[in-house]
Amino acid sequence: KQEVTQIPAALSVPEGENLVLNCSFTDSAIYNLQWFRQDPGKGLTSLLLIQSSQREQTSGRLNASLDKSSGRSTLYIAASQPGDSATYLCALSGNTPLVFGKGTRLSVIA
Amino acid sequence: DVKVTQSSRYLVKRTGEKVFLECVQDMDHENMFWYRQDPGLGLRLIYFSYDVKMKEKGDIPEGYSVSREKKERFSLILESASTNQTSMYLCASSLEGSWSNQPQHFGDGTRLSIL
Repeated sequence: KQEVTQIPAALSVPEGENLVLNCSFTDSAIYNLQWFRQDPGKGLTSLLLIQSSQREQTSGRLNASLDKSSGRSTLYIAASQPGDSATYLCALSGNTPLVFGKGTRLSVIA
Repeated sequence: DVKVTQSSRYLVKRTGEKVFLECVQDMDHENMFWYRQDPGLGLRLIYFSYDVKMKEKGDIPEGYSVSREKKERFSLILESASTNQTSMYLCASSLEGSWSNQPQHFGDGTRLSIL
């Protein structure tokens, strides 16, 4: 059964810093990997989706990479801002719909 | 933009009640999903549907059922609510085809409390 791990569970950085969030998974037989953002008490907002045949995707200050062979994905956030403060979740799709990690709670301090 | 609307943001019900959570999407998506989210456990899939009147069990279907009579609407039913079903419930939808190729779009969630 697919297991998804996100480390660290929480991260606090000063504004302007570049940062990397990590996601690891146990089964490399995936179709895609999706990164989401969740604000407190809200639903999830899709940030980036990487198909299994791709290595990375970019959207603005965000860049997500995928290395199936090592079972890892990273979400890179450039020049972080207080508005980036949220919980970031990765989720993988394989033979069943999405399996989620428990998220990394990010705080960007002004 | 895709809009997934959950009928209630907050709901308080009593143990033993039959509870209906409604979800509507406006983008003609074939696939719809129900998750619950709990601290320390993350999001877990309850049920999903890939077509009208079709449903599949997710990881934690016990104590729940679903209904999909129309393409745009997917209802989650708690047959006899219990306190351990107090949670945040999230609905999502995605476009036709394998769910693996399309991003899922989420509603804002329903925070359900069972007293």
